[in-house]
Amino acid sequence: QQQVKQSPQSLIVQKGGIPIINCAYENTAFDYFPWYQQFPGKGPALLIAIRPDVSEKKEGRFTISFNKSAKQFSLHIMDSQPGDSATYFCAANNQAGTALIFGKGTTLSVSS
Amino acid sequence: GAGVSQSPSNKVTEKGKDVELRCDPISGHTALYWYRQRLGQGLEFLIYFQGNSAPDKSGLPSDRFSAERTGESVSTLTIQRTQQEDSAVYLCASSLGGRDTEAFFGQGTRLTVV
Repeated sequence: QQQVKQSPQSLIVQKGGIPIINCAYENTAFDYFPWYQQFPGKGPALLIAIRPDVSEKKEGRFTISFNKSAKQFSLHIMDSQPGDSATYFCAANNQAGTALIFGKGTTLSVSS
Repeated sequence: GAGVSQSPSNKVTEKGKDVELRCDPISGHTALYWYRQRLGQGLEFLIYFQGNSAPDKSGLPSDRFSAERTGESVSTLTIQRTQQEDSAVYLCASSLGGRDTEAFFGQGTRLTVV
């Protein structure tokens, strides 16, 4: 119930493509869903986050789509660039509203 | 400080030795988290501190792992009698606290047990 399942494990797209990363959860008490971006040798950094009272949120080229009934959410990267190549983690806050529970990550490679 | 600071950045230790990892959170952040990231894996929650509340230790994998935090300042993660499977990057993060505040991560300590 505390897990967040993320797919795919890795993704390769060409520059300008729209990679989509999917996450699913079971715990209906989760109510905060951030995405983190991690470059090699660095700690993860917050990219964008959503709460379940909205179905979509956009920030620049990054969009989160949220399906509360299916308990799924996804990250779309519009007009992807080589600089977007990184590992992306979805996450959710746990029932106690304490630490974030992370998915296993998706390694994205954007080729030029 | 400007961000979350972790030390050392790299640590190589012999199997069976104890190690201490340090985290300096962002000033004013009441919440502090420790995660473990094995090579190519996700972030595994270890422990969470929030102000003066009892820490959430539910993620600690064994009694060889412990962590302390004094007030809202520095935290240390201690691993006793290290094993090879403890080799990983240990990440610390801090936040203002609350259900949906941004967690800021340090660069991590890469621990290698030989």
